[in-house]
Parts: sequence; C-alpha cells; structure tokens
Amino acid sequence: AQSVTQLGSHVSVSEGALVLLRCNYSSSVPPYLFWYVQYPNQGLQLLLKYTSAATLVKGINGFEAEFKKSETSFHLTKPSAHMSDAAEYFCAVSGSNAGKSTFGDGTTLTVKP
Amino acid sequence: GAGVSQSPSNKVTEKGKDVELRCDPISGHTALYWYRQSLGQGLEFLIYFQGNSAPDKSGLPSDRFSAERTGGSVSTLTIQRTQQEDSAVYLCASSSDRASVGGLGYTFGSGTRLTVV
Repeated sequence: AQSVTQLGSHVSVSEGALVLLRCNYSSSVPPYLFWYVQYPNQGLQLLLKYTSAATLVKGINGFEAEFKKSETSFHLTKPSAHMSDAAEYFCAVSGSNAGKSTFGDGTTLTVKP
Repeated sequence: GAGVSQSPSNKVTEKGKDVELRCDPISGHTALYWYRQSLGQGLEFLIYFQGNSAPDKSGLPSDRFSAERTGGSVSTLTIQRTQQEDSAVYLCASSSDRASVGGLGYTFGSGTRLTVV
C-alpha cells in the first residue's frame, strides 16, 4: 500500500523567495518518488525523480528534492522563485515492483511580483 | 510518436451515452496508464497495462468503465452510460523500461476533457 500527502493545497511566495512544497509518503516497499508540474492549460510533466541512487535529486528549472527516509518526506525546493514557476505541483510514489503511481492532491504555487 | 497523444481533446456528451477515449503512447513504451483528474482534485488511478501482462484494473470506479490496449500500443478507454459524475479530465501516460518500470516516471498526454450534460 502506498499514499502521498501534500501539505498545503496553496502556497504563495514572492518572486526571488525560497520555494518549499511539502510531500510526505507512505509505502510498504522502498519507494520511487516523483514530482510533476502542471502549468496552466497544459499536461503534467516530470520535474524530478528519486530512484534510490542519491538522496538529493536535482530536476529541471532549478528545482531539487531531498529524500529523507527517517521523516518519510520528499519536499521540493527552489532557492529563488520566478514568475514562470506558478503552476500546480504533484508529488507521487510508486512501489519498486509495480509501475502504478499514487499521486497527492497537488499544491498550487502562486508567485507574487 | 514524439509524445503521448490523446483524442479527442474535448468531448461533450449527453448523460447515458457511451464515449470512447483514445491514447497513443510513445513508441516502444511498454507501460500505459489511465488516470482521472477531477476539478480541484488530484489524480485518480484507473487502469494500468504492462506489456502482455493482465491489466491492473483496480482503479476502475464501476463496471461502466473498461479499457483495452491493442497490439501493445494504442489504448481505448470506454465509459458506458455516462453519468454527470464522470465529468473530468482523463489522462493517459506511458513509461519505458520493463526492468525498472516503476522508476522512470511517466510521460503524460494532454488529456481528454469529458463533460457529461
């Protein structure tokens, strides 16, 4: 069984500020973890993924996420927000022996000028 | 193809009618997934195809929903006797590498927006 909880359905930051989107997971097997981004009126695209190779994962557009097993977390961060980062972000977990992913409810990021 | 293609992009149908949604995955991707995204909600898993294995249908919400994948490529999701609660964006995704199919992430199509009136 696996599940994902994204803390905060809406996050608002100022341009240039730190972005922190929180994700906690539950998995009965070693997890694969993903962050996806959905820009307005577009499909979802993979931002980054954790597959046990390294706990700090770097993705596109300056985003990164750190896998913390002790905290069962996989929070997404970016040091300095850009206006173009405004989108909905989804965290997802997959078991190591199955391809099906379970998605969180999403966090909408707003970036204020 | 270069990406995952879904058709139609929008579909408006009358309650009680049947609809078919099509997904054409990336060539060579062995795994194909259907999810549903309702307004303001996350993604709900529907069904998963992996190669020649029996599909995982555990997410289908009722027996009105069915899906098939022909020749290991194109997939069709069929909803019979549509209801208003079926209104949502239906997303298809595919992924590669049978050996680590759970680890590479999905490539999503743009979705089909279904509206049942």
